[in-house]
Amino acid sequence: EPEVTQTPSHQVTQMGQEVILRCVPISNHLYFYWYRQILGQKVEFLVSFYNNEISEKSEIFDDQFSVERPDGSNFTLKIRSTKLEDSAMYFCASSEQQGPYEQYFGPGTRLTVT
Amino acid sequence: AQTVTQSQPEMSVQEAETVTLSCTYDTSESDYYLFWYKQPPSRQMILVIRQEAYKQQNATENRFSVNFQKAAKSFSLKISDSQLGDAAMYFCAYRTHNDMRFGAGTRLTVKP
Repeated sequence: EPEVTQTPSHQVTQMGQEVILRCVPISNHLYFYWYRQILGQKVEFLVSFYNNEISEKSEIFDDQFSVERPDGSNFTLKIRSTKLEDSAMYFCASSEQQGPYEQYFGPGTRLTVT
Repeated sequence: AQTVTQSQPEMSVQEAETVTLSCTYDTSESDYYLFWYKQPPSRQMILVIRQEAYKQQNATENRFSVNFQKAAKSFSLKISDSQLGDAAMYFCAYRTHNDMRFGAGTRLTVKP
């Protein structure tokens, strides 16, 4: 069964450093998403991406964040200058279409900023 | 802004019994979708059940069913014949277009 994959599973970085979190969505999916979950808190929407551009973003997704689909398979989230409060689990998801269609989540990348 | 509220931080159920998890949401939209996701200790997000707002019939997936009350903006999840493997965090989610909002979650414990 196809699945969303994410690398790395755990990333440790120092405050102020740039990080890139990688995701490989399901191959025939067209809509891609990033979410984050601070430990013990709810999952928060960051951004959605379709047709090589951001279709929607939340207030969390500020200028420190960017997303890119550099090739036909990868979908990346970049944090330019990490802060301690960026420590969280980051989930990538993809879906075939908009609306009620299931978003398939990846296993997540745990980001620890020290 | 759309908000999703899960008023039960923790719930407990005896194996084989039935439990209901509550969820309410706030929206001015008429066209939207509702989901329940399960997050086991592995932290993978797994879709349990979905409901389109325009459908009056409550969704059912095996032992999982919902009670969707559109006027009350309520979307509860009922788990019948609870199993040990049902123990997890359960998140209610609301979606319109591409923006998915999650509730704070309910931690379900299943007692053998």
